[in-house]
Amino acid sequence: GAGVSQSPRYKVAKRGQDVALRCDPISGHVSLFWYQQALGQGPEFLTYFQNEAQLDKSGLPSDRFFAERPEGSVSTLKIQRTQQEDSAVYLCASSLRGVRTEAFFGQGTRLTVV
Amino acid sequence: KQEVTQIPAALSVPEGENLVLNCSFTDSAIYNLQWFRQDPGKGLTSLLLIQSSQREQTSGRLNASLDKSSGRSTLYIAASQPGDSATYLCAVADYNTDKLIFGTGTRLQVFP
Repeated sequence: GAGVSQSPRYKVAKRGQDVALRCDPISGHVSLFWYQQALGQGPEFLTYFQNEAQLDKSGLPSDRFFAERPEGSVSTLKIQRTQQEDSAVYLCASSLRGVRTEAFFGQGTRLTVV
Repeated sequence: KQEVTQIPAALSVPEGENLVLNCSFTDSAIYNLQWFRQDPGKGLTSLLLIQSSQREQTSGRLNASLDKSSGRSTLYIAASQPGDSATYLCAVADYNTDKLIFGTGTRLQVFP
């Protein structure tokens, strides 16, 4: 595709509900990143994939957060038993190869937990 | 631990002014530095990427400089326009952690 695509753009979840956020990276990009952005803050790293391998998940805030990229293309970020503090914008980025190459971001998914 | 700071946090200027946004980082071990633009409710748009071996990059009215040894970068915007109003974020590609680490951004408003 022309750019990184994320869906849904907006998600409202009731506390305790599970959610799944999707990211379609730029075709041919080996690396995929997930970031969390709270209101008025810069994005914070969550996790990183190189192809289908999750090389770094040190930023995931709890074991309720899980990410996968089974075929090395589309990725899904899943949050189980959502809590109010999970409300944020979730950004996905892809690059040709790691952070040494330019990162391109999607439009983000704004998650609101009520 | 790499930390990125952006000053000022917010800036309001009249149209036509030349302006400078600042970014500083604590560890000079970086691969590159990227400047992004973020419009309200939107994702990040890449503006410029400066490799660690470079001193500056230019794109149109934008010029970004990098002084890796002092841990500083500046984004210069010439002849600002109302359409430049957005939040500008800088991010360093940290050598030690292989992560993009962001500042908190500068919120720019250019009024007619």
